Amino acid sequence: GIQVEQSPPDLILQEGANSTLRCNFSDSVNNLQWFHQNPWGQLINLFYIPSGTKQNGRLSATTVATERYSLLYISSSQTTDSGVYFCAPPISSGSARQLTFGSGTQLTVLP
Amino acid sequence: DSGVTQTPKHLITATGQRVTLRCSPRSGDLSVYWYQQSLDQGLQFLIQYYNGEERAKGNILERFSAQQFPDLHSELNLSSLELGDSALYFCASSTRTSGSFQEQFFGPGTRLTVL
Repeated sequence: GIQVEQSPPDLILQEGANSTLRCNFSDSVNNLQWFHQNPWGQLINLFYIPSGTKQNGRLSATTVATERYSLLYISSSQTTDSGVYFCAPPISSGSARQLTFGSGTQLTVLP
Repeated sequence: DSGVTQTPKHLITATGQRVTLRCSPRSGDLSVYWYQQSLDQGLQFLIQYYNGEERAKGNILERFSAQQFPDLHSELNLSSLELGDSALYFCASSTRTSGSFQEQFFGPGTRLTVL
């Protein structure tokens, strides 16, 4: 199956700083989701992005499917951005559409 | 709020026992997915149902089973529980399984602790 690698594994920032999280995948994908898992364990949808760039407030994501990577940008970070960020491309085989998750980037934003 | 509901939120039980986790998908979603998040294995896909039929299986143990009912809610049954089954179990739903990939939305999860 598809392999997903996320970097860096851990990131500590001061509030107000910017960051870039990277997701590499081993096979071509038609789509990709980014999630934020907050400290309470909830998985929150950030982006659903097949290719190109999407923006939502201080967050934006870019997927370059031909080069098999996606980037998540967080600007002016806040303490509430802390948590784990996952990218998850789907497997597309027959009628199966399950997501394959990377190991995540643990982000800590300090006040 | 994703619109996907899961009950119970927390479950504490003993080894050898059996539990049932319940999931209600977003209104209109026909596909339900179950995922397990454990410390050593990360987030893993278990099983997918579409409109009552099983569509895909992942790393699901034989002691685990699932079904999707006519009202589209789903249940995940875990039996002969072991300490290693302690994990956060997520349910997700999406609109359809055929055609292009549809965005999946996750419920709040059920945290299972096996003592």
